[in-house]
Amino acid sequence: QQQVKQSPQSLIVQKGGISIINCAYENTAFDYFPWYQQFPGKGPALLIAIRPDVSEKKEGRFTISFNKSAKQFSLHIMDSQPGDSATYFCAASSGTYKYIFGTGTRLKVLA
Amino acid sequence: DARVTQTPRDKVTEMGQEVTMRCQPILGHNTVFWYRQTMMQGLELLAYFRNRAPLDDSGMPKDRFSAEMPDATLATLKIQPSEPRDSAVYFCASGLGTEAFFGQGTRLTVV
Repeated sequence: QQQVKQSPQSLIVQKGGISIINCAYENTAFDYFPWYQQFPGKGPALLIAIRPDVSEKKEGRFTISFNKSAKQFSLHIMDSQPGDSATYFCAASSGTYKYIFGTGTRLKVLA
Repeated sequence: DARVTQTPRDKVTEMGQEVTMRCQPILGHNTVFWYRQTMMQGLELLAYFRNRAPLDDSGMPKDRFSAEMPDATLATLKIQPSEPRDSAVYFCASGLGTEAFFGQGTRLTVV
């Protein structure tokens, strides 16, 4: 019940396309859902986060869509760029700062 | 700019040796986390502290791992004795709310 399932494991997108990464959770106590971006040799960096009281949050080209009833949330990267090539992790927490991370999606954006 | 600083960046050690990893959290952050990242297990929470007090170290093998915060500017993760299966990237993160900011990590190789 503590797992966060992330898919796909890897994703290849053409430049300018939309990248979509999905996550699902079981624990209804989760109340904070961040997405992290990690480049090789670097630590994960917070990209965008959402709470379950809203269904969508947008920051620039990055959008989180949240479906509370389905217990799913997704990251959409619009107009994907080669510089977006990285590994993306979804996570969930229940106010205890104990993040449960998804297994990661390796995104490659072709020039 | 404020960042979490980890030392060393890379460590190669022989099995059985003691390893100490250090972390300087962002000034003013009251929560410090230790995560371990491997290809097989992804990002796993080992321990976290709030106001220097350990809140949860259930993810940490107690027989060989120990985590401390001697003061607000230093967190340490020690492995004694180290084993090849401890080879991973160890991340420290700090936060003041629900967001966690990660350091660059310490890549540990135990041979």
